[in-house]
Amino acid sequence: SAVISQKPSRDICQRGTSLTIQCQVDSQVTMMFWYRQQPGQSLTLIATANQGSEATYESGFVIDKFPISRPNLTFSTLTVSNMSPEDSSIYLCSVGDPFYNEQFFGPGTRLTVL
Amino acid sequence: DAKTTQPPSMDCAEGRAANLPCNHSTISGNEYVYWYRQIHSQGPQYIIHGLKNNETNEMASLIITEDRKSSTLILPHATLRDTAVYYCIVRVETSYDKVIFGPGTSLSVIP
Repeated sequence: SAVISQKPSRDICQRGTSLTIQCQVDSQVTMMFWYRQQPGQSLTLIATANQGSEATYESGFVIDKFPISRPNLTFSTLTVSNMSPEDSSIYLCSVGDPFYNEQFFGPGTRLTVL
Repeated sequence: DAKTTQPPSMDCAEGRAANLPCNHSTISGNEYVYWYRQIHSQGPQYIIHGLKNNETNEMASLIITEDRKSSTLILPHATLRDTAVYYCIVRVETSYDKVIFGPGTSLSVIP
């Protein structure tokens, strides 16, 4: 199965600033996904990131707030821009593994905005 | 993805079987039943998936009714480490599509 790492694992940020979260996979994957998990809630999909094309955002999420890069088949970044306390969440990346026909998830980045 | 219904929470005694139900009455013919779990402060973990036959792996068993409108995830000998939120999801068997999570079932394994 794919091994996924995220950096940073956690951070505390001031409102109005931006944070870039990195997701690294140990194998080449076509599909990468970014999720948000607000405190006490289930996971909500932010966007799907394919290599070489623009990310596809879900309803309620926009590129200006959550720009995503996907420069190659093993790496992606999610930026949380102009942060407010409402952005305090765990942000997770996941990848689609065609061998297993399912998704694997990273450990998450716990973000607190003051 | 078809919608699923799960109880919000369940308790299970340590060492006993944990049976987690899921209703998916609008499941389509080409959709599989997937189960994931999320242990506190970790990313979700894939458990098992199936189409219509019962499935078993080293983690759990999946029992799907003949009409495919409901299923049960069975953890045969629950341990304290099985305390987690369990998500039942129906989707096409592919790695190329997103996973839509519902609220899941919070399972507490009691000593």
